[in-house]
Amino acid sequence: DQQVKQNSPSLSVQEGRISILNCDYTNSMFDYFLWYKKYPAEGPTFLISISSIKDKNEDGRFTVFLNKSAKHLSLHIVPSQPGDSAVYFCAASALLRGSTLGRLYFGRGTQLTVWP
Amino acid sequence: EAQVTQNPRYLITVTGKKLTVTCSQNMNHEYMSWYRQDPGLGLRQIYYSMNVEVTDKGDVPEGYKVSRKEKRNFPLILESPSPNQTSLYFCASSRDRAINTEAFFGQGTRLTVV
Repeated sequence: DQQVKQNSPSLSVQEGRISILNCDYTNSMFDYFLWYKKYPAEGPTFLISISSIKDKNEDGRFTVFLNKSAKHLSLHIVPSQPGDSAVYFCAASALLRGSTLGRLYFGRGTQLTVWP
Repeated sequence: EAQVTQNPRYLITVTGKKLTVTCSQNMNHEYMSWYRQDPGLGLRQIYYSMNVEVTDKGDVPEGYKVSRKEKRNFPLILESPSPNQTSLYFCASSRDRAINTEAFFGQGTRLTVV
């Protein structure tokens, strides 16, 4: 059963506009969340993360928002650039609690296309 | 340069012929992990290791083995590969077992089992 869900397999956005990628999770033990970006023929690269004690984390053009009550997080990219076109994976872990320490759960990914 | 190196990058093999995919990191990371990526399924964790001689199962460990005899290496072993193990495999490492730290991924190994 998928514990991290990215329900949109693809997203298309015009350059300069905001991209919003969504992620939902089901396991209430998750307390740390990460976003990875993947280009074709390369391994994923870390983008940004957020701890469950926060509801927002910002790094340049990238902001991640966490809504614990809704078990939902989102990645905002502003402004979007053509070089942002990639697959974005949401991932979650239970750092502090439970038997899943050491496990990292990924969503299925969202293909973002930013067009000029 | 900090990196995770996987070999081979591409491999075509036949059912039942044992193979090993190597993974090596040069960052002195404690935590290493293997994933497979399949269309529509995203990345699924196969095995992980929190330190030397410490390994544990991920989501999809069936048909795979791993070992962690030294810190830098974490090979993935397929004793008797089957076509359903055709996939894109990634090795990753991070500084410690608290995997909030950034994980570095290798370039991937595309395995085809015929």
